Amino acid sequence: ETGVTQTPRHLVMGMTNKKSLKCEQHLGHNAMYWYKQSAKKPLELMFVYSLEERVENNSVPSRFSPECPNSSHLFLHLHTLQPEDSALYLCASSQDRRLKQYFGPGTRLTVT
Amino acid sequence: AQTVTQSQPEMSVQEAETVTLSCTYDTSENNYYLFWYKQPPSRQMILVIRQEAYKQQNATENRFSVNFQKAAKSFSLKISDSQLGDTAMYFCAFMKGNSGAGSYQLTFGKGTKLSVIP
Repeated sequence: ETGVTQTPRHLVMGMTNKKSLKCEQHLGHNAMYWYKQSAKKPLELMFVYSLEERVENNSVPSRFSPECPNSSHLFLHLHTLQPEDSALYLCASSQDRRLKQYFGPGTRLTVT
Repeated sequence: AQTVTQSQPEMSVQEAETVTLSCTYDTSENNYYLFWYKQPPSRQMILVIRQEAYKQQNATENRFSVNFQKAAKSFSLKISDSQLGDTAMYFCAFMKGNSGAGSYQLTFGKGTKLSVIP
């Protein structure tokens, strides 16, 4: 275990549903990340929060909405998703961006 | 923009043998960091090894070492004495060193699936 937890581990949702993914770290890190991992594609960075402020937003559709209420928690709110959004969503945290990132186990999302 | 290329989608190696995974990258930056991450089946991604571009000495971590060729923009990973637990997806990644826009961007390759055969 890396110290980064994600819930739920699996999620199936319809295109009209609203759901949220949760990430939690108690490592004392000050940066948290959301990645999308699709088959046959490189990991894609979606959002980065540093000291609870969003510092990266990589042209992600507005149907994905991040929230970072404090340095230990990160959420990804989902609404009106498309089938192509089905993927493994990984959360990570770091103390220093130049050092290593600690990844969570991911949430396997299926949009039907 | 930076790109990372891993040209070997899949590789296999006999247990106790040595295997080298290749990675090339493209960047105009002079100050940056390179990483190899490992993602075992159904387990969390973890860092294997990290290299600072301004260091000429190749990084090593136990059985894992890199061959960093800055001029050629090559960053290969060598695994010695391969073990069954080394079976995983291996991702090469790049991060620029200077602060500012894009400084948190970790750019990954598509990965190499390594199977260690008993």
